[in-house]
Amino acid sequence: DVVMTQSPLSLPVTLGQPASISCRSSQSLVYSDGNTYLHWLQQRPGQSPRRLIYNVSNRDSGVPDRFSGSGSGTDFTLKISRVEAEDVGIYYCMQGTHWPAWTFGQGTKVEIK
Amino acid sequence: QVQLVESGGGVVQPGRSLRLSCTASGFTFSSYGLHWVRQAPGKGLEWVAVIWYDGNIEYYADSVKGRFTISRDNSKNTLYLQMNILRAEDTAVYYCARAVRHFDYWGQGTLVTVSS
Repeated sequence: DVVMTQSPLSLPVTLGQPASISCRSSQSLVYSDGNTYLHWLQQRPGQSPRRLIYNVSNRDSGVPDRFSGSGSGTDFTLKISRVEAEDVGIYYCMQGTHWPAWTFGQGTKVEIK
Repeated sequence: QVQLVESGGGVVQPGRSLRLSCTASGFTFSSYGLHWVRQAPGKGLEWVAVIWYDGNIEYYADSVKGRFTISRDNSKNTLYLQMNILRAEDTAVYYCARAVRHFDYWGQGTLVTVSS
């Protein structure tokens, strides 16, 4: 199975400051159709996961533009340009390229300092 | 709008069975593959099973293979997860999620607690 490794696992951030989360996969996530199925999910406290970014860098509808995704191959990053209080939660990267074993990162907990 | 609503969770004794449902609305159900994903208390996300749009292909995580069965009824816009021989380590919130490679919509989850 493809192993997804996130860092850091805990990220205290000051309001208004940037934040960055790294995600590395044990294999390239480029699929045979040319797409890279690397997604970022946000899970706010007490809520279900919600997809924020799909295929590395595309924001889902309604996602603020302070969220951005980048990367390629096996190395990916989620950035929040200016953290707001509503961004508190756990962020997961996940891969949809290699199946039949879809895998998730361990999660990064973002909290306000 | 797309909605996925899970139901059927509860407290069950080890070794017993439970069936979860995920009722969908707001999209053409029969056009999408669907997953079950679970989250043990205080833990991360674990993929459980997937079923293709037409029900003809299924895959399972090794941790549930032989005990869980995923199915769907496209006439009822409903996804199911039949869970047999439940173990304490199956205790989790179970989510359904849409689309084989995309996981673009998730339900609110249903809690399954396996305890004597």
